[in-house]
Amino acid sequence: NAGVTQTPKFQVLKTGQSMTLQCAQDMNHEYMSWYRQDPGMGLRLIHYSVGAGITDQGEVPNGYNVSRSTTEDFPLRLLSAAPSQTSVYFCASRRGTSGSRDTQYFGPGTRLTVL
Amino acid sequence: GIQVEQSPPDLILQEGANSTLRCNFSDSVNNLQWFHQNPWGQLINLFYIPSGTKQNGRLSATTVATERYSLLYISSSQTTDSGVYFCAVGFNTNAGKSTFGDGTTLTVKP
Repeated sequence: NAGVTQTPKFQVLKTGQSMTLQCAQDMNHEYMSWYRQDPGMGLRLIHYSVGAGITDQGEVPNGYNVSRSTTEDFPLRLLSAAPSQTSVYFCASRRGTSGSRDTQYFGPGTRLTVL
Repeated sequence: GIQVEQSPPDLILQEGANSTLRCNFSDSVNNLQWFHQNPWGQLINLFYIPSGTKQNGRLSATTVATERYSLLYISSSQTTDSGVYFCAVGFNTNAGKSTFGDGTTLTVKP
């Protein structure tokens, strides 16, 4: 299994541009999440999904959109990039919320810079 | 509001020393994980431990859910243990979400 994969690894955008960060998992996990990590801080939840077709907002959802059309994929869209969105973005997945099924697995991250 | 607090924020050790990292949380939890973020930014699962005690080699963890804290023990530390240690907590009131603490930055000197 490849686990959780993210593309691209690095990206530079200009203010106002839009882009999509890709996330895929091959573990048949129901739950997927997007986090951002700013320097010196922990991870903050942007959006999450509890299954195909179901998404919800996390702690810092403004400026981001998500959709979940398949179990495997959970893309994150930046609608109009701003310098405040410069961060490292992590995607995570887990099987469910019962016992060890709730172990989260993380992708390698995407480092985004907005100029 | 919901809070996850980790202490200490920074820890510097000599190789071979032992350490204890703490994670306090503000509400009842249905899951808790400890992660190690290595210097390359990769997040590595250490323990899934909403309650009880687990051990894996030199690392062990204990969560006392009724008192709302978890501890991560590192024994005989090595330079490769350096990095940031995070706890991530899922609260009963927010199924499906995880809240991260700000982490403990560990530096192990040779």
